[in-house]
Amino acid sequence: AQKITQTQPGMFVQEKEAVTLDCTYDTSDPSYGLFWYKQPSSGEMIFLIYQGSYDQQNATEGRYSLNFQKARKSANLVISASQLGDSAMYFCAMREGVGTGNQFYFGTGTSLTVIP
Amino acid sequence: DVKVTQSSRYLVKRTGEKVFLECVQDMDHENMFWYRQDPGLGLRLIYFSYDVKMKEKGDIPEGYSVSREKKERFSLILESASTNQTSMYLCASSFVGSSTQYFGPGTRLTVL
Repeated sequence: AQKITQTQPGMFVQEKEAVTLDCTYDTSDPSYGLFWYKQPSSGEMIFLIYQGSYDQQNATEGRYSLNFQKARKSANLVISASQLGDSAMYFCAMREGVGTGNQFYFGTGTSLTVIP
Repeated sequence: DVKVTQSSRYLVKRTGEKVFLECVQDMDHENMFWYRQDPGLGLRLIYFSYDVKMKEKGDIPEGYSVSREKKERFSLILESASTNQTSMYLCASSFVGSSTQYFGPGTRLTVL
């Protein structure tokens, strides 16, 4: 089974509108972390936001927020007030456990295009 | 600022050549990772290392090996490059239990 599933290969959003990028995960480990990364066309991976499995509040970082629904095993990224510079690939990722040697699992990504 | 560097941004090699991809981080991170990224497949883990001389296979280790002789350096080796290893290779590092990984700029490898 896939550890991370992103079902939206491509998304379009009007500038200044909000957009939600979907991510579901699969783990039986009670301790895990969820991440979102942005990859512009230049190729570098930029860390956006993190949510720990025990965090009570949804994570927020500026215009980014993570809609964490633990029972549904979903960790959707919400980008508010989209800007042209938000056009990029977005990857959801998960780290299982917190010990030595724990690996990260990535989804297949969602390509977001912001329309002027 | 955390810095992860990779030896080359672009590399072109011939089938059968031995290829070395180098990654260096300057933040004393225990963990280091090698991924390959292909369109529609996302990032797939090749190998990772959580300490010097320690390595663990990821999801797609076949055709690759790694070396970690020093904490700051993690090398990916293609013993005999093949055309299906044409891809973007990304290196990353993190502290144990960290809230994120830090990525290098990537190496786009073409095997002819």
